[in-house]
Amino acid sequence: DTGVSQNPRHKITKRGQNVTFRCDPISEHNRLYWYRQTLGQGPEFLTYFQNEAQLEKSRLLSDRFSAERPKGSFSTLEIQRTEQGDSAMYLCASSLDGGLSEQYFGPGTRLTVT
Amino acid sequence: KNEVEQSPQNLTAQEGEFITINCSYSVGISALHWLQQHPGGGIVSLFMLSSGKKKHGRLIATINIQEKHSSLHITASHPRDSAVYICTVYVPGSQGNLIFGKGTKLSVKP
Repeated sequence: DTGVSQNPRHKITKRGQNVTFRCDPISEHNRLYWYRQTLGQGPEFLTYFQNEAQLEKSRLLSDRFSAERPKGSFSTLEIQRTEQGDSAMYLCASSLDGGLSEQYFGPGTRLTVT
Repeated sequence: KNEVEQSPQNLTAQEGEFITINCSYSVGISALHWLQQHPGGGIVSLFMLSSGKKKHGRLIATINIQEKHSSLHITASHPRDSAVYICTVYVPGSQGNLIFGKGTKLSVKP
């Protein structure tokens, strides 16, 4: 399977704990995006990378969230000191380039903070 | 007002019915993308279009740039079409270049 993969698929954590998610994009894709989706809503943009450079971060992203793409391939999204409001589906997508390049989505990681 | 509005929010149909989901947007776009999201969260790309009409199997997508409107049609609907359909627009200069609609939840009953 050469699509976008995400791990883990589900994560349950207690409030205050740190969590890290991983996204492996399609191999030749330069752009990698992170989105968050809460129940009944469309995805919201969090951040994106062009190769290893983080080019944009959402105004919604608090300083508890950090993302990396150290070698321009896979990416990690870490949430520190999780809060119940962080419970959501975290989606990763990749595209060949920016602009009109179609984004391909991974299956998502569902986070539940208890 | 959201920049991307979808209607209806929820839709229940009987198997075999013709289904239309609408998307209106208020910003200048370079393309529009219809996505399908099944329970469990995985998102599948259906169509990406910037003009006219595209067809794939029982699915048809149209876009009218002047009216800032797109429709997704499903002919001969089937229970496996049950999913959330999300309209997404590409807006150069916006955060992440994509603005998402809230989705239309479709349930097709046998």
